[in-house]
Amino acid sequence: AQSVSQHNHHVILSEAASLELGCNYSYGGTVNLFWYVQYPGQHLQLLLKYFSGDPLVKGIKGFEAEFIKSKFSFNLRKPSVQWSDTAEYFCAVNLMNRDDKIIFGKGTRLHILP
Amino acid sequence: DSGVTQTPKHLITATGQRVTLRCSPRSGDLSVYWYQQSLDQGLQFLIQYYNGEERAKGNILERFSAQQFPDLHSELNLSSLELGDSALYFCASSVGGAGETQYFGPGTRLLVL
Repeated sequence: AQSVSQHNHHVILSEAASLELGCNYSYGGTVNLFWYVQYPGQHLQLLLKYFSGDPLVKGIKGFEAEFIKSKFSFNLRKPSVQWSDTAEYFCAVNLMNRDDKIIFGKGTRLHILP
Repeated sequence: DSGVTQTPKHLITATGQRVTLRCSPRSGDLSVYWYQQSLDQGLQFLIQYYNGEERAKGNILERFSAQQFPDLHSELNLSSLELGDSALYFCASSVGGAGETQYFGPGTRLLVL
């Protein structure tokens, strides 16, 4: 069955540290890829997305993600995190040609120490 | 504010009961999605409607059903509730299909006692 795996459930970093959150999916077809973020007390919102073209995608607040098709991965990165990046991060995959289905990962809780 | 509204914000009910959750999409959005978020299962896609028609189905139980009305608002009906149905239920909307950016509502927190 198709699935999305986020390897890190909880991540704790200090401010200015570099961040990489892993996301892998299992589906051999064409996909659209997303990272959503949920700040404390707020609704989920889009961080960035990949549809086609340049596999390195830049999003809001200095985040970027790289689609590596051969590894079925879409890892999220930020070179220097801030306390305000404390949130839960969700990777999502839209399975094109599969009834327009979308699958979310279980999320990664990121806690940034001031 | 995403422009997606959900009511009620909180709901407390007993096992065996039935509840209805309501979602109003952003103006102009034709698709509505329902998700269930729990601590152990994460964010689970339940079902998607596009312009009144069911478009995609996820891990939705048979006890749950949804519909999208001509004015594009949607309702999620949960029946024969069990303790394990306690969760946060999110609605999201997008202009077209699931390949587009989804805008999430604030959620309805359901507690089944």
